Amino acid sequence: NAGVTQTPKFQVLKTGQSMTLQCAQDMNHEYMSWYRQDPGMGLRLIHYSVGAGITDQGEVPNGYNVSRSTTEDFPLRLLSAAPSQTSVYFCASSYEAGRIDTQYFGPGTRLTVL
Amino acid sequence: EDKVVQSPLSLVVHEGDTVTLNCSYEVTNFRSLLWYKQEKKAPTFLFMLTSSGIEKKSGRLSSILDKKELFSILNITATQTGDSAIYLCAVEEGTGNQFYFGTGTSLTVIP
Repeated sequence: NAGVTQTPKFQVLKTGQSMTLQCAQDMNHEYMSWYRQDPGMGLRLIHYSVGAGITDQGEVPNGYNVSRSTTEDFPLRLLSAAPSQTSVYFCASSYEAGRIDTQYFGPGTRLTVL
Repeated sequence: EDKVVQSPLSLVVHEGDTVTLNCSYEVTNFRSLLWYKQEKKAPTFLFMLTSSGIEKKSGRLSSILDKKELFSILNITATQTGDSAIYLCAVEEGTGNQFYFGTGTSLTVIP
């Protein structure tokens, strides 16, 4: 198993550009989520999904969209990037919501918005 | 509002020392508390705590939860340089869909 994979590893955007951060898992996990990690702020939940076709907002959803058309993929879209979205983004998955002790994190994407 | 607060923010110790990391929380529908270790990249899971007073132990690391006082501690005995990392505390709330992380404690162990 590849586990949780994220692409790209690094990205630089200009203000106003759009892009999609990719996340995929091959463990047949139902629950997937996106976090951002900022210095002094810890990890904050952006969006999550409890299964294909189901998504919901986390703590800081503004400026981000997600979709879950398949169990394997959970892309995060920035519609119009802003400098405040400069952060490290982690995707995570677990077998089901509540089975957080088996949550797997991806390696992260470092995003800089100029 | 801060849901999960960790202290201290950073800590520098010598190899062999024992350290205690603190995590306090305030959530309306507590489900579990988790500890993670983060080195260079993604966090790795250490412990999940759901019941008060029951110590979880793994080698030199141990953790306990107090649901009445709303806090948890992570102890590391006989620290080694490989323990240098950021230790994150997270609280799972409600249905298990929402997680709140603390800012982390940065631990540096010097030889």
